[in-house]
Parts: sequence; structure tokens; C-alpha cells
Amino acid sequence: DTGVSQNPRHKITKRGQNVTFRCDPISEHNRLYWYRQTLGQGPEFLTYFQNEAQLEKSRLLSDRFSAERPKGSFSTLEIQRTEQGDSAMYLCASSPSTSLVYNEQFFGPGTRLTVL
Amino acid sequence: GNSVTQMEGPVTLSEEAFLTINCTYTATGYPSLFWYVQYPGEGLQLLLKATKADDKGSNKGFEATYRKETTSFHLEKGSVQVSDSAVYFCALSDRGKLSFGAGTTVTVRA
Repeated sequence: DTGVSQNPRHKITKRGQNVTFRCDPISEHNRLYWYRQTLGQGPEFLTYFQNEAQLEKSRLLSDRFSAERPKGSFSTLEIQRTEQGDSAMYLCASSPSTSLVYNEQFFGPGTRLTVL
Repeated sequence: GNSVTQMEGPVTLSEEAFLTINCTYTATGYPSLFWYVQYPGEGLQLLLKATKADDKGSNKGFEATYRKETTSFHLEKGSVQVSDSAVYFCALSDRGKLSFGAGTTVTVRA
């Protein structure tokens, strides 16, 4: 399967714990995006990378959130000191675009986080 | 800022009925517009897109026309099937990142 993959698919954690999610984009896609989707809502943009550079972060991304893409391939999203309000589906998408002109974003299946 | 407003659901239809889901947007500049679909148990998939005013996107019998004068991008299909049951999201692109509507759940009954 050459699509976007995300691991784990599900994560249950206790409030206050740290969690880390991984996203493997489609090979050679240089743009990688993270979104968060809560029940009954559309996905909300969190951050994106072009190669290894993090170009934009949403105001939704508090100090407890950090994302990396160290070699311009896979990316990780870490949430420190999780809160119940962090419970959501975290989506990753990748795109082959190297310019500001839109190219289709391919989404992964998501990681569902439940904070107890 | 950019925002997308789409028709609230859920929408329930009989097979072969006409489907329309309204979508309006607010944006600075001239965004690209999209419809994404999420089938049960699957990830988001691009259904169709339009990148400039008066463009019509189409795929799988679905159509949507980019109307700059009414800032709209309504989704239509003339004859739905049970397999069209899904959640549909309208979205706009601002320098690559997407802003989504809340989604409309469509259920088609045989």
C-alpha cells in the first residue's frame, strides 16, 4: 500500500500523559499536513511542513503540541500533558506541491486519541 | 479569516433521488474549492475540485460549480445510489492548507 499511513490507529491515555503519533506520507511528497477532527466537525488545520521545514502553525497548536519532520520524510506529532479536550481524530495528509498552487492532499486513516 | 459553511445534515434520500448540498465560503483572495468525501470506516478522499471562478468540478456523477458572485460551491448529483452514503465536506485552500466545513451526513436508502 503506497498511501499515507498513520500509527497508532487508536490511542487511549490518561490525562497528564504524553503521547506521540507518527505519519508516513506518500513517498516523495514534500508537503505534509496535520489536522485535528472532533466529532461532528470538519478537520481543522494544525501545522504543515515543506520537506523538513515547519512553515506554519495554527493557533490551535498550544505549547503542549510539537511536530517534527526531521529528515523530510515521516513526521511525528507529540502532545505533552494531555487533557480531555485533546480527544479527537488526528489526521495527516501529504501533497506533492512545492509551490503555493494547490495540489491534491492525500489523507491517512487518522489516529483516534481518547484521553480519560 | 477563511471559513466554509455547509448545509447541516443529516440528509436522508431514496435511491435515484436528486442530491444537493449547499456550501458557501468566506475568503480573502481567490481560493481553490473542494469537496471531500468520507465513506464509512475510510479516510477522507478528494471528490472534486475547482481552482477558479466558473470552473466546474465533476467526478462519479457529482458536480459543483465555483460561483464567485455568490461565493458558493454547491454539490449536486442527479441520481444517488446507496453507495453514495457518506459524509461530505466542503473545503477551500489557502496556500495549500485546507479549511473545511462541518460536514453533511448523507444516507441513501434502497
